[in-house]
Amino acid sequence: AQKITQTQPGMFVQEKEAVTLDCTYDTSDPSYGLFWYKQPSSGEMIFLIYQGSYDQQNATEGRYSLNFQKARKSANLVISASQLGDSAMYFCAMREITAGGTSYGKLTFGQGTILTVHP
Amino acid sequence: EADIYQTPRYLVIGTGKKITLECSQTMGHDKMYWYQQDPGMELHLIHYSYGVNSTEKGDLSSESTVSRIRTEHFPLTLESARPSHTSQYLCASSEFGDYGELFFGEGSRLTVL
Repeated sequence: AQKITQTQPGMFVQEKEAVTLDCTYDTSDPSYGLFWYKQPSSGEMIFLIYQGSYDQQNATEGRYSLNFQKARKSANLVISASQLGDSAMYFCAMREITAGGTSYGKLTFGQGTILTVHP
Repeated sequence: EADIYQTPRYLVIGTGKKITLECSQTMGHDKMYWYQQDPGMELHLIHYSYGVNSTEKGDLSSESTVSRIRTEHFPLTLESARPSHTSQYLCASSEFGDYGELFFGEGSRLTVL
């Protein structure tokens, strides 16, 4: 079963507008972490934002915020005031921490969403 | 900015050749990872290590092998490359294991003819 699902293969947004990239996840572990990464066409992976399963507040980092709805198992990324440089592939990822064990830091990634920002 | 380096960035090689993709990090991280990514697709974990002399296979089966003799170095080797190995290989490291993000290198794009 897919643990991380990104249902939007591609998204388009006008420069300076806000955009939401969807991510849903599946886990039975009470402790987990959710991450968003950006991958430009050059190929490197850039960390954007992190949300822990026990965090009470939604995470924010500059123009990035994470809309965390635990009951719905969703962790959508919101990019405000889009810029041309935001055009890239965006990946949602999850780390599960099994009770009494360790994840060894491993991340499971979703299929990604290609974001295109139009001038 | 993360200090994790991969070489070569691009490699085109013939079938049957042995290749080694290098990955080094200067952050002193214990945990290191190799992910494989086909163009426009998700990343799949193929190997990871939680310290010197520890290596484990990831979720995606791979014919590659890895070694971890030094903390900073985590090379990936293919003994006999095949066209099915054509992909991007991304190396990453992590300081805190269960917490904190993975730092990625720039990737090695392998093409096997």
